[in-house]
Amino acid sequence: DAGVTQSPTHLIKTRGQQVTLRCSPISGHKSVSWYQQVLGQGPQFIFQYYEKEERGRGNFPDRFSARQFPNYSSELNVNALLLGDSALYLCASSVTATFVSNQPQHFGDGTRLSIL
Amino acid sequence: RKEVEQDPGPFNVPEGATVAFNCTYSNSASQSFFWYRQDCRKEPKLLMSVYSSGNEDGRFTAQLNRASQYISLLIRDSKLSDSATYLCVVPSGGSYIPTFGRGTSLIVHP
Repeated sequence: DAGVTQSPTHLIKTRGQQVTLRCSPISGHKSVSWYQQVLGQGPQFIFQYYEKEERGRGNFPDRFSARQFPNYSSELNVNALLLGDSALYLCASSVTATFVSNQPQHFGDGTRLSIL
Repeated sequence: RKEVEQDPGPFNVPEGATVAFNCTYSNSASQSFFWYRQDCRKEPKLLMSVYSSGNEDGRFTAQLNRASQYISLLIRDSKLSDSATYLCVVPSGGSYIPTFGRGTSLIVHP
């Protein structure tokens, strides 16, 4: 079975631009979460979507938005990019919305976003 | 106090050594805790979960101390392949919002 797939793998943008990152969850997984990981830090939670509804939101500005489609894939949008948005963006999928061990989150390889 | 704190290390140990990491958390209402492993430039992968007092899986033991609000990860008989960053995760907000620590780097040398 395919794991969590993210696209693109790498992206270079300039300040002020907008970016859309995509994630396809593992088949049968209805929850998708997005994380931002800067170098030397742990992943920071951005959003969780379950059954196409937002179930959790981290401490990120409104420039960050996301949505989940009927096939459970998801997009993360970031507007008005800043230099500080340079990071690895990770998507994780799970069967349920909650973070429980018998339904662990499975991470994709991430999209490495660089802002010039 | 940060929500989840970890010593970034690195912890440099020889093969065969026993090493332990701690992770402190501030939300006393948290009920479950997790250790993830992340190799360099790779995605995090679930290593162990801790719900009550502890959990053991082969060479790995995770323990929870609710009174002092920390969890620990013990690795026995370290292997070169154990070299990685170990991330502590504490869910809150009804378990929808996970907080990751910054990770502890482990380097196992021959």
